[in-house]
Amino acid sequence: NAGVTQTPKFRVLKTGQSMTLLCAQDMNHEYMYWYRQDPGMGLRLIHYSVGEGTTAKGEVPDGYNVSRLKKQNFLLGLESAAPSQTSVYFCASRSPSLAALAKNIQYFGAGTRLSVL
Amino acid sequence: EDKVVQSPLSLVVHEGDTVTLNCSYEVTNFRSLLWYKQEKKAPTFLFMLTSSGIEKKSGRLSSILDKKELFSILNITATQTGDSAVYLCAVEVNLLAVEVMRGAQKLVFGQGTRLTINP
Repeated sequence: NAGVTQTPKFRVLKTGQSMTLLCAQDMNHEYMYWYRQDPGMGLRLIHYSVGEGTTAKGEVPDGYNVSRLKKQNFLLGLESAAPSQTSVYFCASRSPSLAALAKNIQYFGAGTRLSVL
Repeated sequence: EDKVVQSPLSLVVHEGDTVTLNCSYEVTNFRSLLWYKQEKKAPTFLFMLTSSGIEKKSGRLSSILDKKELFSILNITATQTGDSAVYLCAVEVNLLAVEVMRGAQKLVFGQGTRLTINP
């Protein structure tokens, strides 16, 4: 049981290049999230998904696109990378169950450190 | 706009000291407040608080929520060097009214408190 797996772990891009970050979870969670973490700003929600085939914008969606074609995967795309997108990206997933609040905890991947030059 | 503010942003203490980390929030559709510990990688879950005045405890760590005054504290007693980390406070809010019954939420994070324990 791997939990939440992010690939790649590190990446350096030049301005204008594109890339896709992959998040995979094996816990059969309905909800998945992409966050970015910048120094002094905590984690901010980029996009999220409440189920296969559905996505929605979070707090800072500009410059990113996402897709959830399979329940276990949530992809984050940068079509034309900018230096302002240099950050650490975290994916998270959780179960929608309302039966036990203690289980409504987001599980995080290990992060992807992205530098855009 | 939903907001979570942590203080202090940075704290350096000696091993054995007791520390208190603060988290205040202003959000709509509050569901719960969570504390995470982040070392070099992903945040790891510590506590989830939903009710005021009920202390959650795990070893030397404890936390309590005040929903009237909109804050929470995380206490660490008899600190050890392994407690050095960034501690994140997050408030879980319901995302969309229409999706409340499905339980869709997001986490709004504070900036984090960087705690350093010196031997």
